Amino acid sequence: SAVISQKPSRDICQRGTSLTIQCQVDSQVTMMFWYRQQPGQSLTLIATANQGSEATYESGFVIDKFPISRPNLTFSTLTVSNMSPEDSSIYLCSVTTGQGDTEAFFGQGTRLTVV
Amino acid sequence: GENVEQHPSTLSVQEGDSAVIKCTYSDSASNYFPWYKQELGKGPQLIIDIRSNVGEKKDQRIAVTLNKTAKHFSLHITETQPEDSAVYFCAASSVGDDKIIFGKGTRLHILP
Repeated sequence: SAVISQKPSRDICQRGTSLTIQCQVDSQVTMMFWYRQQPGQSLTLIATANQGSEATYESGFVIDKFPISRPNLTFSTLTVSNMSPEDSSIYLCSVTTGQGDTEAFFGQGTRLTVV
Repeated sequence: GENVEQHPSTLSVQEGDSAVIKCTYSDSASNYFPWYKQELGKGPQLIIDIRSNVGEKKDQRIAVTLNKTAKHFSLHITETQPEDSAVYFCAASSVGDDKIIFGKGTRLHILP
């Protein structure tokens, strides 16, 4: 299993600013992912955080808006840049510990409100 | 890419009755089907999963069935309890592609 610590747990930000969310895992993991969950909605994958290289973004998400770092096997950050109220959402870090069909673990999420 | 459809979006059942949530998937290459429970203010937590070489799996009051031919899989909760109230997500992924694609979720209410 893996225990994920995500910071901050919530924040209220002014539009036009940026917020960096941290994800720390208690063990080395193979894959790290970032999801967005809008109020009352499902989880949408933003990108796969690749260790030592650029993240792989899903359709509709771009690096300029959601820059991601993954300097090692236990840590990643997601930045939400130039925020607007439409970015208000829960952002979740997820990890898997193997390849393919292995369990995914989630952090508790970061609840972001943009005013 | 994979698309996962989930029904119903909301489900209310009397305490002690059974609840069934159904999902379909589009990619025949998908071979791993987890179910997650999300309580308010928390991240999703895996409650049960099934792989494509198995048709059914049970864990106490929770069971999952898979029909690969029809690309259907379902979650069954028996003898429901108040603590079962939550949002449940089905999901699918395939070997070689670690991305998990989620359904839209089912909000389950257990009525006293």
